[in-house]
Amino acid sequence: NAGVTQTPKFRILKIGQSMTLQCAQDMNHNYMYWYRQDPGMGLKLIYYSVGAGITDKGEVPNGYNVSRSTTEDFPLRLELAAPSQTSVYFCASSADRAGYEQYFGPGTRLTVT
Amino acid sequence: GENVEQHPSTLSVQEGDSAVIKCTYSDSASNYFPWYKQELGKGPQLIIDIRSNVGEKKDQRIAVTLNKTAKHFSLHITETQPEDSAVYFCAASRGSSNTGKLIFGQGTTLQVKP
Repeated sequence: NAGVTQTPKFRILKIGQSMTLQCAQDMNHNYMYWYRQDPGMGLKLIYYSVGAGITDKGEVPNGYNVSRSTTEDFPLRLELAAPSQTSVYFCASSADRAGYEQYFGPGTRLTVT
Repeated sequence: GENVEQHPSTLSVQEGDSAVIKCTYSDSASNYFPWYKQELGKGPQLIIDIRSNVGEKKDQRIAVTLNKTAKHFSLHITETQPEDSAVYFCAASRGSSNTGKLIFGQGTTLQVKP
């Protein structure tokens, strides 16, 4: 099992550009999550999904969109990138509705200039 | 909303000593408390967790204690080794009633000096 994979590892965007962060898991987990981690801070939940076709907002959803067309993939879309979106983005998945044992990907480091 | 405070922000110990990291939470409905270890350039990795029907849980050199009345929980690492050096995060969740959404503390950078 590859677990949770994320691409790209690094990206630099100009203000106003758009991009999609990819996340995939091969553990057949229904529950998937997107977090952002700002320097010296804990992780904050952006969006989450309880299964294909079902998504919902987390703590900090503004400026982002998600979709979940398959169990395996959970892409995160940034529209009109802003410097405030400079962060490290982590995707996670869990087999359990309660979110027990969330497995994290290696992260995408995004810089918006 | 739910808030999780973590202390200290940095902790330096000698190899072989014990390390303790403490977290407090605000939501009394929280019932799941995981601890994650994050090494440089990697994603967080679950190292131990505890649920609210348990007061203490141990796994080799790592233990977590929970005081639901006081709304705080702690990570204890005994006989620390240089490879324990990392950033540690606590988190809290309402579990299935909140679809497993985790609220994280700010993190503790642990340095174990050989």
